[in-house]
Amino acid sequence: TQLLEQSPQFLSIQEGENLTVYCNSSSVFSSLQWYRQEPGEGPVLLVTVVTGGEVKKLKRLTFQFGDARKDSSLHITAAQTGDTGLYLCAYLQGAQKLVFGQGTRLTINP
Amino acid sequence: SAVISQKPSRDICQRGTSLTIQCQVDSQVTMMFWYRQQPGQSLTLIATANQGSEATYESGFVIDKFPISRPNLTFSTLTVSNMSPEDSSIYLCSARSRASYEQYFGPGTRLTVT
Repeated sequence: TQLLEQSPQFLSIQEGENLTVYCNSSSVFSSLQWYRQEPGEGPVLLVTVVTGGEVKKLKRLTFQFGDARKDSSLHITAAQTGDTGLYLCAYLQGAQKLVFGQGTRLTINP
Repeated sequence: SAVISQKPSRDICQRGTSLTIQCQVDSQVTMMFWYRQQPGQSLTLIATANQGSEATYESGFVIDKFPISRPNLTFSTLTVSNMSPEDSSIYLCSARSRASYEQYFGPGTRLTVT
């Protein structure tokens, strides 16, 4: 099983600030996914990145897949309290099983 | 898309007893999974629930402790057997169609073992 390392593990910032969280590995992936999980709910897929160097935007969220397809980042612009949650990166192992990183727990303070 | 429901949403159980968690998907899916999420942690895959055959368990999880059924394409159960406080966790059901990247999750069952 390939290891996904997410950093930081915890992040607490004020509303309106920008932030970036990272998902790193020494392995090459055909794709990576980002999920957000809110308390009391299951994770929800935000994006899948497939091509090295790819950038995808979802409103204030910008996702990037590294050129070598070993890492990914999530940048949030002008964070809002609704962005609070656990952000998880994941990959499909053997096209079957979804394997998650340890997650970044993000808190946006009003 | 798929909507997944789980029952119960939470339970408090005594050591040594067993609890069966039900998972219902609102559409036919090819793959169903059970995950465990310990407090403040990420998700760990317990097993893949296979329709009409024995589940495929991940390293560290065994059928005697976590028996799983999947009688059809939309329903699965996970039993946590002979529970101990270490089994206190959130158990999540998940589903995906084989051709799709997107995986859907239920809201989870929060289990506390006393």
